[in-house]
Amino acid sequence: GQSLEQPSEVTAVEGAIVQINCTYQTSGFYGLSWYQQHDGGAPTFLSYNALDGLEETGRFSSFLSRSDSYGYLLLQELQMKDSASYFCAVRDQTGANNLFFGTGTRLTVIP
Amino acid sequence: GAGVSQSPSNKVTEKGKDVELRCDPISGHTALYWYRQRLGQGLEFLIYFQGNSAPDKSGLPSDRFSAERTGESVSTLTIQRTQQEDSAVYLCASRRGGQIAEAFFGQGTRLTVV
Repeated sequence: GQSLEQPSEVTAVEGAIVQINCTYQTSGFYGLSWYQQHDGGAPTFLSYNALDGLEETGRFSSFLSRSDSYGYLLLQELQMKDSASYFCAVRDQTGANNLFFGTGTRLTVIP
Repeated sequence: GAGVSQSPSNKVTEKGKDVELRCDPISGHTALYWYRQRLGQGLEFLIYFQGNSAPDKSGLPSDRFSAERTGESVSTLTIQRTQQEDSAVYLCASRRGGQIAEAFFGQGTRLTVV
C-alpha cells in the first residue's frame, strides 16, 4: 500500500518563507507531485520531482530525497492568496502510474 | 475540451437511491482518476483508468461503488443504495499519460445524501 504524511496545519506571516514536509511509503515509487487546493476549488498542479534535488518554479520550489522517502514544498515571499491546502502525491509504478495523495496541509498566511 | 468537466456540480439524493456521476476528461488524456474528498479531508483514491488496461479498482470502498470508462473518453461513477456516509465531493482528474506528471482536476460533484 501507500501512505503519505504531512503536517495538518501551518501558519506563516505574509512575506515569509514556509516549508511543508511530506514523508511517504510506497512499494513502487516513481515521483512526487505537489498540488494546491483553495477552499471550494479543484486541486491544481504545482510541481513534480522524479529525481533527487530541488525544482524551482517562481516562488515555489520542491525538493525530493528518494533515499529518505521525503520531500518538501517551499513557498517564498508568501502572499495572502497562498492560503490554501497543499497536497503531496506519489506516482506509483506498481499501479501503472497510479496517483495517491497525502492528507494535506492547510496553510494560513497572516498579515 | 478545454478542461475536465464533471456533472452534475451538485446532487442531493435520498438515502437508498442510486446516483451516477459523470466525468469528461481532457481530449487525448489516457489516464483518468476518481477521488472522494470529505469536508476538510484529503483525496481518497477510488479508481484509476489507464488506456485499455484493466482499471485499478482497489480504492472502491464497497461493492455499491462502480465505475466505467468508454475508451479514452467519458467516465461514470455509480453509487448504488446511497448512504449518508457517501456524502462528499467526488473529484475526477485526467492526465495525458506516459511521462507527463501533471493531472488536471474537474470542479467535482458535491453529493449530499439526506
